[in-house]
Amino acid sequence: DVKVTQSSRYLVKRTGEKVFLECVQDMDHENMFWYRQDPGLGLRLIYFSYDVKMKEKGDIPEGYSVSREKKERFSLILESASTNQTSMYLCASSFRDRGEKLFFGSGTQLSVL
Amino acid sequence: AQKVTQAQTEISVVEKEDVTLDCVYETRDTTYYLFWYKQPPSGELVFLIRRNSFDEQNEISGRYSWNFQKSTSSFNFTITASQVVDSAVYFCALDLKTSYDKVIFGPGTSLSVIP
Repeated sequence: DVKVTQSSRYLVKRTGEKVFLECVQDMDHENMFWYRQDPGLGLRLIYFSYDVKMKEKGDIPEGYSVSREKKERFSLILESASTNQTSMYLCASSFRDRGEKLFFGSGTQLSVL
Repeated sequence: AQKVTQAQTEISVVEKEDVTLDCVYETRDTTYYLFWYKQPPSGELVFLIRRNSFDEQNEISGRYSWNFQKSTSSFNFTITASQVVDSAVYFCALDLKTSYDKVIFGPGTSLSVIP
């Protein structure tokens, strides 16, 4: 069964902490994405990667960075967490061809206190 | 501008009723893909359907059907004889044929099917 796995389902952090959200996929997908989901706003793209060590900014990259050292793993980093980064974070992956469907992880609900 | 609008924030229906979820998109591109995803309470978005911009044929899959109309930039989703298991948040999404994949999601419609 194909899977996108996010390391934590729930996470509570303090303001100013460095936070790592990990995502692993087992489908040999070239593309990996990090989205943020907030009520009424849908899913907003933070960053995505189309190959190892390659990354592109999405619509809301401020306050975030990413790392993709291996094809199967895509990490989202909050350098100094703030309360406005409290949200649901969703990782997704897909093959590179245009119009390929996305496979999603179950999400990480991050609370920054 | 590229945008996806789902005007219905929340819908409640009684089991066995039919329900239509609206999706309107904006793009100047002539080649694009449209998707519907379902997010059940467990949180993981699940792919339902994909349509490319050159294929306006409507599609039916069991109790689900989709109506794609380029003239009105709409890609509506109908559930016939709704069931409690259909309760979820449904997202419409637009994938543009740019130099890299960028998928734009609508705000989602929360559907509650009441027994």
